[in-house]
Amino acid sequence: AAGVIQSPRHLIKEKRETATLKCYPIPRHDTVYWYQQGPGQDPQFLISFYEKMQSDKGSIPDRFSAQQFSDYHSELNMSSLELGDSALYFCASSAPGSGGREQYFGPGTRLTVT
Amino acid sequence: GQNIDQPTEMTATEGAIVQINCTYQTSGFNGLFWYQQHAGEAPTFLSYNVLDGLEEKGRFSSFLSRSKGYSYLLLKELQMKDSASYLCAVPEGTPLVFGKGTRLSVIA
Repeated sequence: AAGVIQSPRHLIKEKRETATLKCYPIPRHDTVYWYQQGPGQDPQFLISFYEKMQSDKGSIPDRFSAQQFSDYHSELNMSSLELGDSALYFCASSAPGSGGREQYFGPGTRLTVT
Repeated sequence: GQNIDQPTEMTATEGAIVQINCTYQTSGFNGLFWYQQHAGEAPTFLSYNVLDGLEEKGRFSSFLSRSKGYSYLLLKELQMKDSASYLCAVPEGTPLVFGKGTRLSVIA
């Protein structure tokens, strides 16, 4: 069965650079969630999109922005990167009518800021 | 807001049974999830409880008591591959709020 796809899987950037993470949800899933997980931490919700509109906003820094496109894929844009942005970034998707139950997580993008 | 508490670490023996507890405080309850996460990998869905009682799914079972704000995940016939973090999570709207996770080590 198709799963959530994230690219790239690994990314190394320097401070003050920008990064773009991509997420391709499971086909026919209409909601995408972004989570950030620092070393030894639990995943923290950043932002979500439902039918291409922002639906919920969590602890996403102003330096970050995201959008969902017409094909339902989503991109997380990160600017002025800081060392503290080094983390695993997970994208999750959920099916229509599920109310967010059974969020399926992608494999994550490991971002390292040096 | 949500407040979730679970033990940081647990150790259990291969073949044994282990119970991982989770207590929560929520402004509005909309179910409780358990996820398994191996180091550096994505969380994988284990269970979802919205009604009181025990839900069994193979070697894993999850229990919920809404009146006590309490859940547990029960793992039977432990295998070495069960060594992982187990995350309790509750929805805040639709996004999930995770507990800090319980790191389970299964030893021979």
